[in-house]
Amino acid sequence: DTGVSQDPRHKITKRGQNVTFRCDPISEHNRLYWYRQTLGQGPEFLTYFQNEAQLEKSRLLSDRFSAERPKGSFSTLEIQRTEQGDSAMYLCASSSTIGQTLAKNIQYFGAGTRLSVL
Amino acid sequence: DAKTTQPNSMESNEEEPVHLPCNHSTISGTDYIHWYRQLPSQGPEYVIHGLTSNVNNRMASLAIAEDRKSSTLILHRATLRDAAVYYCIPPGLAGGTSYGKLTFGQGTILTVHP
Repeated sequence: DTGVSQDPRHKITKRGQNVTFRCDPISEHNRLYWYRQTLGQGPEFLTYFQNEAQLEKSRLLSDRFSAERPKGSFSTLEIQRTEQGDSAMYLCASSSTIGQTLAKNIQYFGAGTRLSVL
Repeated sequence: DAKTTQPNSMESNEEEPVHLPCNHSTISGTDYIHWYRQLPSQGPEYVIHGLTSNVNNRMASLAIAEDRKSSTLILHRATLRDAAVYYCIPPGLAGGTSYGKLTFGQGTILTVHP
């Protein structure tokens, strides 16, 4: 399978705990994105990387959230001191900026990690 | 920022064509119009994108108005597997020089009846 994979698929945690999610992008893709989706809403952008560099962060990404992509391959998203409002689907996507213009920024999404904070 | 307007929901019967409209009247620039869809319990999936002329691929067709202020995603023969939320992504925010984030609205929930 050469798609975007996310782990775990589901996470249940208690308020105040820290959680970490992992995303493995399509192997040749240099860009990686994180989005958050709550019930009935479209995904909301959180942050994205080009290779190891984090190029943009949304205002939604509070100081409790941190994302890394240390070697330009997989990425982790950590939420510290989780709150009930953090309950959502966390989606990862990847894309390539290399190649034909038409292909640029077609993003390929994983199935997401569903977080429930009790 | 450019914004889009889509109907909240639409219904279709199986094997019939479906036309999903999107208004992007505040469009500017020369960026592509993108469409994605999200099937139940899955991440969004790229469908199609276009600039000025109509586009076809194996999944759908995209008809773009001459002034680029609206577009229509066309599913020629809807199947039950096409039941999903369809998102029209505002031009200028899907592409551009930085090719960065996608900005999703609430999309159109498509229901397909057998």
